[in-house]
Amino acid sequence: NAGVTQTPKFRILKIGQSMTLQCTQDMNHNYMYWYRQDPGMGLKLIYYSVGAGITDKGEVPNGYNVSRSTTEDFPLRLELAAPSQTSVYFCASRDPSGGNNEQFFGPGTRLTVL
Amino acid sequence: RKEVEQDPGPFNVPEGATVAFNCTYSNSASQSFFWYRQDCRKEPKLLMSVYSSGNEDGRFTAQLNRASQYISLLIRDSKLSDSATYLCVVNPPASARQLTFGSGTQLTVLP
Repeated sequence: NAGVTQTPKFRILKIGQSMTLQCTQDMNHNYMYWYRQDPGMGLKLIYYSVGAGITDKGEVPNGYNVSRSTTEDFPLRLELAAPSQTSVYFCASRDPSGGNNEQFFGPGTRLTVL
Repeated sequence: RKEVEQDPGPFNVPEGATVAFNCTYSNSASQSFFWYRQDCRKEPKLLMSVYSSGNEDGRFTAQLNRASQYISLLIRDSKLSDSATYLCVVNPPASARQLTFGSGTQLTVLP
C-alpha cells in the first residue's frame, strides 16, 4: 500500500499561471480532502469529496477547483496563480465507516507563486 | 469561538521532563477525538486516539473530559525525537464530513 501520494513535491509558478496538483490513494477510501498550510499556521480545508462525482467547498475554496471522477484520484486545480496561494498543500483520505476513523495524509506539495 | 482551541506554545522542555498539552472543543456533540503529530515540513500523522476512559501508549497518555469539553496529552520522559507540533483533532457529529483540526502546539525538547 502506497497510501496517499502527491505530485509534484515542489513547484514554482509565475503569477497567472495554472497547474494541477495530483493526489491518489490506494486504500479505497471514499472521503478525500485538500488542505493548505501556511508557514507556522494550522491546516485550512480547501475542498473535500465524499465519493466519486461529489465535491464540496471547505473553508478557503476561492481560487481553486477540484474534480473526483474516480475513488482513487482527487486533483486540485489552480487556474490563475496568485502570491497568496504560496503554501504547502496536503491531500488526505479516510474511511468514515471504519471504527478507527484515522485520516491519512500525503507528503505534501510545496508551491511558491512569484 | 474556534471549534478546537490549543495553546500554540512553543513549549521548550529539557530531555526527561514531563509535559502536558490541553485542547478545548466547542461542539458538545462531538463524537471522537485524536492527537496527531506533525514533524517540521512533514505531513500530520495519527499519534493516538482519545477514549472516554483515558488511554496510554508507552510514554503518552491521553485523557478526555466530556463535561468540560477538553482533551489532554501527557508526555512523560521527553525525548529529543518528541520535538514536533501536536494537533488536537475532533470528529464532530455524524452529519459532519470532515475532522476539525486544532492549529497545533509546538514542542521542542532540549538536550
